[in-house]
Amino acid sequence: EAQVTQNPRYLITVTGKKLTVTCSQNMNHEYMSWYRQDPGLGLRQIYYSMNVEVTDKGDVPEGYKVSRKEKRNFPLILESPSPNQTSLYFCASSLRGASYGYTFGSGTRLTVV
Amino acid sequence: GENVEQHPSTLSVQEGDSAVIKCTYSDSASNYFPWYKQELGKRPQLIIDIRSNVGEKKDQRIAVTLNKTAKHFSLHITETQPEDSAVYFCAASIGVGSGGSNYKLTFGKGTLLTVNP
Repeated sequence: EAQVTQNPRYLITVTGKKLTVTCSQNMNHEYMSWYRQDPGLGLRQIYYSMNVEVTDKGDVPEGYKVSRKEKRNFPLILESPSPNQTSLYFCASSLRGASYGYTFGSGTRLTVV
Repeated sequence: GENVEQHPSTLSVQEGDSAVIKCTYSDSASNYFPWYKQELGKRPQLIIDIRSNVGEKKDQRIAVTLNKTAKHFSLHITETQPEDSAVYFCAASIGVGSGGSNYKLTFGKGTLLTVNP
């Protein structure tokens, strides 16, 4: 089944404790991106990757890192999480770039206390 | 950067009525406009999209219109059903990256549609 897999689905952590949210797609998509969803603010782009080893900042990149060493994987890293990073995170992929339909992962609800 | 405004933020209709959600965008270079539906507790899913060389597109009860001059696009749902109840997001894509593909997709803040039986 074609899908984007995110893990974990739920995570509660403490301020400052490094964490990684994994994202993997099995559709051979070139483009992958991370979004955060907050009430009243919609979906905001954190980082995107046009292809392997090509990543760039979105609208809200502060406090996040990403890497794209393989085409299928695009992990999101929070080196020192803070409470304002409490949010619902979605990974998305598309065939080529942001002018093709996204397939979203199931989301990761992160709480930083 | 691109800014996408979406209205209304909430919309309540009776089953069988039509629903219209409107979006405006700021950057005239935007050339791809998808709409996503997000049911409660689930991931957003693409329901329809339109490119800037087309003025209107239909898929059964759903249609999208685009006015490039005014920089706005709209989602029309006819004969609404309770299962249409969800949050709907519009988005606009911009930025030509390598290979001619856009690199950025900016979303509106969403519209909560409630269809009352």
